[in-house]
Amino acid sequence: DAKTTQPNSMESNEEEPVHLPCNHSTISGTDYIHWYRQLPSQGPEYVIHGLTSNVNNRMASLAIAEDRKSSTLILHRATLRDAAVYYCIPYIYNQGGKLIFGQGTELSVKP
Amino acid sequence: DAGITQSPRYKITETGRQVTLMCHQTWSHSYMFWYRQDLGHGLRLIYYSAAADITDKGEVPDGYVVSRSKTENFPLTLESATRSQTSVYFCASSLDRQGYNEQFFGPGTRLTVL
Repeated sequence: DAKTTQPNSMESNEEEPVHLPCNHSTISGTDYIHWYRQLPSQGPEYVIHGLTSNVNNRMASLAIAEDRKSSTLILHRATLRDAAVYYCIPYIYNQGGKLIFGQGTELSVKP
Repeated sequence: DAGITQSPRYKITETGRQVTLMCHQTWSHSYMFWYRQDLGHGLRLIYYSAAADITDKGEVPDGYVVSRSKTENFPLTLESATRSQTSVYFCASSLDRQGYNEQFFGPGTRLTVL
């Protein structure tokens, strides 16, 4: 199975950009990279996903390295509501839709 | 209301009792999942289902039983609860197994086994 490595925690100031890194050096060529986040006392929520090229949506941007061994989730302007645990998850196509969560990165946002 | 719901939201039970956690989704999603999250840890997959009457084990299936007679419901049963099953349980659903379809999570059930 593909393994991921994320920092345990990161800090950011409100209204500043945040770059959350993830290493997934064993990912295969057909595996998507998903990002989820979990706000305190809530279930996880989808943030973004990608395969090879950079992706943008209303919540964040995802920058994927050319060799696909790492990716970075970018929050363009952090808000207090963005304080959460962020999970980087390789989506293994032949594993029946399962997501295997790691420990994630706990992001704290200071006013 | 549309979405994915779980019941009960909180449950306290005793060791050895049978407990069933309910999960209901209104989107007609094919896939449904059960995860558990222990204090300070990430989520671990217990069971999942690709469609009605099709289920499969995840990472930590021991001590749990699932069924899926209808697409919209995916109950999780602890046949004989143990203290180690004290956890927060999340149900999720997704439209398809493809890599670009996200999972939608319920609010969770906090289970305490005394």
